Amino acid sequence: QSVLTQPPSASGTPGQRVTISCSGSSSNIGGNAVTWYQQLPGTAPKLLIYSNNQRPSGVPDRFSGSKSGTSASLAISGLQSEDEADYYCAAWDDSPNVWVFGGGTKLTVL
Amino acid sequence: QVQLVQSGAEVKKPGASVKVSCKASGYTFTSYGISWVRQAPGQGLEWMGWISTYNGNTNYARKLQGRVTMTTDTSTSTAYMELRSLRSDDTAVYYCARGRGSGSYSPYDYWGQGTLVTVSS
Repeated sequence: QSVLTQPPSASGTPGQRVTISCSGSSSNIGGNAVTWYQQLPGTAPKLLIYSNNQRPSGVPDRFSGSKSGTSASLAISGLQSEDEADYYCAAWDDSPNVWVFGGGTKLTVL
Repeated sequence: QVQLVQSGAEVKKPGASVKVSCKASGYTFTSYGISWVRQAPGQGLEWMGWISTYNGNTNYARKLQGRVTMTTDTSTSTAYMELRSLRSDDTAVYYCARGRGSGSYSPYDYWGQGTLVTVSS
């Protein structure tokens, strides 16, 4: 059972916009920034979004993040086949000073 | 370019120990912390802990305290993770990851390729 709650799956067709939610509590998302990772099949996770809505260099602006209260969302616009991957949200948890992850959302591009 | 290169796959018996290495290159090793994250087959990511490459301070996940030790060798820019008293549910891919900053709360901008540790009798 993961500390952060994500839907296990999401899907969309090429060109569509999809969103993935992440729910936590006051000790993690409520008080700290949210990070999103993308994990392509058989590879290590890749940093997608940090500080709620910041993209590292090289990440397309089709990916965007937002946070409100104890929940966060990842939005992917102009969906492409190469976006098919697992997406994980993460946040620092002040109690007890650890990183916590969501269970991951498997995105399928139909 | 920043790289984290991990040691190869391991097969261990229950009760044994494993030590995974993570050699960093392309940046100043002591300026960024290193964390370890594991992923059981078909499962999500689990944070194991963090080590300061500057002074060796550590912060371990509560469920692993007493079984895990993280160390660094600054002379070779290498981080190590040792897990003892292995159980079958320790079977996972183990990743090292570099924090964007020096603190344990920094998200991870570079990851190693992963090391599969299989625990089986």
